[in-house]
Amino acid sequence: SAVISQKPSRDICQRGTSLTIQCQVDSQVTMMFWYRQQPGQSLTLIATANQGSEATYESGFVIDKFPISRPNLTFSTLTVSNMSPEDSSIYLCSVVGGTGDTEAFFGQGTRLTVV
Amino acid sequence: GNSVTQMEGPVTLSEEAFLTINCTYTATGYPSLFWYVQYPGEGLQLLLKATKADDKGSNKGFEATYRKETTSFHLEKGSVQVSDSAVYFCALSFLGYSTLTFGKGTMLLVSP
Repeated sequence: SAVISQKPSRDICQRGTSLTIQCQVDSQVTMMFWYRQQPGQSLTLIATANQGSEATYESGFVIDKFPISRPNLTFSTLTVSNMSPEDSSIYLCSVVGGTGDTEAFFGQGTRLTVV
Repeated sequence: GNSVTQMEGPVTLSEEAFLTINCTYTATGYPSLFWYVQYPGEGLQLLLKATKADDKGSNKGFEATYRKETTSFHLEKGSVQVSDSAVYFCALSFLGYSTLTFGKGTMLLVSP
């Protein structure tokens, strides 16, 4: 199994500012995934982060708003830029692991409130 | 596109009651299906999965059967415990186990 440490666990931020969320995995993984869970909504994939290349963003998400870094095989960051109250969500990091890569593992999430 | 619909919560039960959380999906083809659970203050954990029609996933007393004809994957448990109180997410995936499409989640509250 993979253990994922995500921080901060929560934050309250002023609109117009940026927040960087860190995700650390206890093993090397090829792909890391960032999800968003808006209040009362399902989890939505933001982007897939591969080491050594630019992240691949899903429809509706852009690099200028959600820049991602992936400096090595165990670490990634997601920045939420120029925040507005609509960005208030839980952001989760995920990796695939287990025998045969048959399970997705998730961090505890970062609960972001923008005021 | 792909989507997952699950019953809205919260679902409130007394200990030892029978649990059903409904989940249906829309997808082209035959996805793998999952139930994830999120206990208070923790990340999502895989509860069970099924990768083809008529497969039954089971874990910790929970079961779900992949029904292709009704495109459903309902979660059941015969006797819930207070410790089962959590949010349950139904999900599907085509691309191995990496990118998942989730339902909105169903909160389960079990009282003693």
